[in-house]
Amino acid sequence: AQTVTQSQPEMSVQEAETVTLSCTYDTSESDYYLFWYKQPPSRQMILVIRQEAYKQQNATENRFSVNFQKAAKSFSLKISDSQLGDAAMYFCAYRALTQGGSEKLVFGKGTKLTVNP
Amino acid sequence: DTEVTQTPKHLVMGMTNKKSLKCEQHMGHRAMYWYKQKAKKPPELMFVYSYEKLSINESVPSRFSPECPNSSLLNLHLHALQPEDSALYLCASSQGTRASGNTIYFGEGSWLTVV
Repeated sequence: AQTVTQSQPEMSVQEAETVTLSCTYDTSESDYYLFWYKQPPSRQMILVIRQEAYKQQNATENRFSVNFQKAAKSFSLKISDSQLGDAAMYFCAYRALTQGGSEKLVFGKGTKLTVNP
Repeated sequence: DTEVTQTPKHLVMGMTNKKSLKCEQHMGHRAMYWYKQKAKKPPELMFVYSYEKLSINESVPSRFSPECPNSSLLNLHLHALQPEDSALYLCASSQGTRASGNTIYFGEGSWLTVV
């Protein structure tokens, strides 16, 4: 079974600085997808960024980028120029396929990010 | 438009009540999900519907009964719940086909309190 590990329960960063959130995963699949979701206090899960495992190029979305190391099974999220609105719980997730062919997300335990003014 | 709409946003119910949570999406997605999330925990998958058929039931107690009336709607019927069932219930949807590596989009959730 696939597992996702986020080793940092909490992180903090100064506004305008850069922070990196760590994520490792375990899988025997060769083709898969990884995601970072953000959950602010409003509790809606918001997609931040996704990475296809077959792509060597790291995904980037504005101030958010990932460092995807397939061999090491590592998928870290870098937030540049941190803003107060980035404060949230961040979940790393692996897209797993079920026997029935459906997709489901396997989540890490999350990292709570605080942004200090 | 990547919107998944859930109603109600908040629900308080007694242990003998029957209530339902509703979820709707108009993105043409063919897979819909119910997740349960306790405070300070990641979401836990409960059910998956694929093409309006129940695909996954993650050993959820029978007091939770899902229903997918059509490809746009997903309900979660609640009956004889326990206080420990109090949580945020998240609905989600995706295109539902393996090849595209679909993103799963979430609604804002329904806060459930069982008293």
